Amino acid sequence: NAGVMQNPRHLVRRRGQEARLRCSPMKGHSHVYWYRQLPEEGLKFMVYLQKENIIDESGMPKERFSAEFPKEGPSILRIQQVVRGDSAAYFCASSPALAGGRYEQFFGPGTRLTVL
Amino acid sequence: GESVGLHLPTLSVQEGDNSIINCAYSNSASDYFIWYKQESGKGPQFIIDIRSNMDKRQGQRVTVLLNKTVKHLSLQIAATQPGDSAVYFCAETPLYMLTFGGGTRLMVKP
Repeated sequence: NAGVMQNPRHLVRRRGQEARLRCSPMKGHSHVYWYRQLPEEGLKFMVYLQKENIIDESGMPKERFSAEFPKEGPSILRIQQVVRGDSAAYFCASSPALAGGRYEQFFGPGTRLTVL
Repeated sequence: GESVGLHLPTLSVQEGDNSIINCAYSNSASDYFIWYKQESGKGPQFIIDIRSNMDKRQGQRVTVLLNKTVKHLSLQIAATQPGDSAVYFCAETPLYMLTFGGGTRLMVKP
């Protein structure tokens, strides 16, 4: 039973390029969350998605950042025109449907983005 | 002992001793709390959770205590092992968005 999968694990981009991060949730999970972590800090919520829907993007910068979770395929976090301040570890988590109560979120191994 | 480092507070314990990691949470509306363990270069790993209608929950070698009056969580690890060395985060949520605390680095001395 594979866990949450993220790729690439490491991504290097130059300023102005686009970064595309992928996340495949655990089997049977329909909820995906993206978090960002700076060194020596806790994770910060960015966006919460269900299949084909963005439920809450309150933690995501309004410009340059976008996220999707299509009917088929992985969830994508896209960062356009990257800047050095985007360098961080980006984690994806997934959980099963929330019906009947909240469930723990299972985290992937993260994508470490470095912007040169 | 416990010390405050440049970024993360660090708790150093002897192998075999018990560890207690503390966390103050911020949102009085939070009703679900999770402790995560994060090893270097890896994603957070679920350890134990607790809902606000409980004040204590036990797992294998770990216990979480919740004090809603002072908005405080603690994680107790019994018979700490070298493999427990990691950064530990508490997380809270009133709905689905996890808010993480600042983290504590646990170092286990052999």
